[in-house]
Amino acid sequence: DVKVTQSSRYLVKRTGEKVFLECVQDMDHENMFWYRQDPGLGLRLIYFSYDVKMKEKGDIPEGYSVSREKKERFSLILESASTNQTSMYLCASSLGGQGATEAFFGQGTRLTVV
Amino acid sequence: GQQLNQSPQSMFIQEGEDVSMNCTSSSIFNTWLWYKQDPGEGPVLLIALYKAGELTSNGRLTAQFGITRKDSFLNISASIPSDVGIYFCAGQLRGGGADGLTFGKGTHLIIQP
Repeated sequence: DVKVTQSSRYLVKRTGEKVFLECVQDMDHENMFWYRQDPGLGLRLIYFSYDVKMKEKGDIPEGYSVSREKKERFSLILESASTNQTSMYLCASSLGGQGATEAFFGQGTRLTVV
Repeated sequence: GQQLNQSPQSMFIQEGEDVSMNCTSSSIFNTWLWYKQDPGEGPVLLIALYKAGELTSNGRLTAQFGITRKDSFLNISASIPSDVGIYFCAGQLRGGGADGLTFGKGTHLIIQP
């Protein structure tokens, strides 16, 4: 079974802090994604990566950056956390290639910025 | 980004009832996926559909890829308490690459005792 693991289930950070959310997948997937989930807004794509050191902006990249130094690991960085970044963050991975679009999710990180 | 219209937004049903939900779009999709999310957890893939007209079952769940490639539905038969959760549809646009899936906003399924 595919396993996508997020480093923390719950985080509480202060406004202005730099925050790192880590995600690791163990199935050699090419693609990795970061989403945030908010009530009434569904899942929104922040950034994705289709290869090591490659990254692409999603729908809401402002205030975030990402890093993919190794294939299995995709990190989301909040450069200076703000209260409007309080949310559930979900990492996902997929195999990539034509017809291989099934994304598998981690358990989520609930971030609270105070 | 592209929009998927998922309905209903929420459903209040009795245990044992059948459930039906759907997603529609103005765009053509290559792939339709259905996920379930339990409270405090990440979404879990239920069913994947890759061909127009395809009808696929997974236990009490049945999903179909619409002939027009612009819609999909999910049915749950004889609901049980553990079916409670949020169900999401997701689609991969025709011609889309690795830029992620487009998600519906979810259907909250609540089972009344």
